[in-house]
Amino acid sequence: AQTVTQSQPEMSVQEAETVTLSCTYDTSENNYYLFWYKQPPSRQMILVIRQEAYKQQNATENRFSVNFQKAAKSFSLKISDSQLGDTAMYFCAFTPLASGSRLTFGEGTQLTVNP
Amino acid sequence: GAGVSQSPRYKVAKRGQDVALRCDPISGHVSLFWYQQALGQGPEFLTYFQNEAQLDKSGLPSDRFFAERPEGSVSTLKIQRTQQEDSAVYLCASSLVGQGAFGYTFGSGTRLTVV
Repeated sequence: AQTVTQSQPEMSVQEAETVTLSCTYDTSENNYYLFWYKQPPSRQMILVIRQEAYKQQNATENRFSVNFQKAAKSFSLKISDSQLGDTAMYFCAFTPLASGSRLTFGEGTQLTVNP
Repeated sequence: GAGVSQSPRYKVAKRGQDVALRCDPISGHVSLFWYQQALGQGPEFLTYFQNEAQLDKSGLPSDRFFAERPEGSVSTLKIQRTQQEDSAVYLCASSLVGQGAFGYTFGSGTRLTVV
């Protein structure tokens, strides 16, 4: 069974600063995908960034980047130049290639960006 | 439609009542997923359809939970004899065939409160 752990229930950052959210996972699979989702109060889960495990290069999407350490089973999210609209719950998620589609989520980190 | 539509947005049910939650996926998305998100936690997988076939229902917590997708488009999640522990947000996601979790689009969920 796969597990995903987010050890920071809450974090806060000042607008325009950088923040890093942590995620670790446990799996015996070699091929898998990792995701970071954002969930604002509207409840819709919005994909922030995704990483294929076979790719050594860390994924980047504008102000969002990841630090993927496969051997350590670590997948942290860095948000640069934080904006007020980044305030939300952030979930790390995992799916093994073999399973097809179901996601296993972490417990979430509530990020607050302060003006 | 432009996105995944879920209805109702809020549902209050008395303990023991039956409820039906609807998910209208993006047109052309053959894969459809249901997740249950308890307060303050990450979503947990319930069930998965490809077209009208329910390929995985291993996450359904009890035989009071039943999901269907008779024509391969709209899906209904039914909960019989609701209990307080069923209180949660129920999220639906859809994706194109072959994309699986890589191409999820989530709806905004139905918040179910059992009183």
